[in-house]
Amino acid sequence: AQSVTQPDIHITVSEGASLELRCNYSYGATPYLFWYVQSPGQGLQLLLKYFSGDTLVQGIKGFEAEFKRSQSSFNLRKPSVHWSDAAEYFCAVVNTGGFKTIFGAGTRLFVKA
Amino acid sequence: DADVTQTPRNRITKTGKRIMLECSQTKGHDRMYWYRQDPGLGLRLIYYSFDVKDINKGEISDGYSVSRQAQAKFSLSLESAIPNQTALYFCATSDSLAGMNTGELFFGEGSRLTVL
Repeated sequence: AQSVTQPDIHITVSEGASLELRCNYSYGATPYLFWYVQSPGQGLQLLLKYFSGDTLVQGIKGFEAEFKRSQSSFNLRKPSVHWSDAAEYFCAVVNTGGFKTIFGAGTRLFVKA
Repeated sequence: DADVTQTPRNRITKTGKRIMLECSQTKGHDRMYWYRQDPGLGLRLIYYSFDVKDINKGEISDGYSVSRQAQAKFSLSLESAIPNQTALYFCATSDSLAGMNTGELFFGEGSRLTVL
């Protein structure tokens, strides 16, 4: 069965420090992979997505993610975190039919001054 | 104005009451979804609809029903609300007719429901 694991429930980083949020998935074929961000009181917004080609994908707000097939991972990174990045981040996998999205449990990011 | 609008944004109700959450979209997308968000569980799919005549159960449909009144409108009903339905509910859309259907979702801002 398809599944998505985000091992870290919450992470705290200092402003200006680098960030890596982990995501591992289980899927029989090459899935479509997504990272969404949820700011407080808001819906989810797409950060970036991977479906083919270059395994390093760039997203909005300076985020990037790397697809590693051998590790079944799609980790999210940012070189320098800003206080406005404090939010909850969800990794998601979609089947190739494009109609069923499985979400991870989410990682809440806290940014300290 | 938001492309995906949910009403109400917040609702407190009592056990046994009937509740309807409404969703409308101006994105012209054909697919619409209702998700439930609980802390530590991520988002779980309640129902989805691929067009007006197509309704499908998701992984947690028990206790819920939906209606797709038009391509742009998709409502979620709790016929008899119970406390464990207290959660944040999201409506989302996607476009299967896009050049490449990757399943990208576009979300409303959520409806927070509290059942006492």
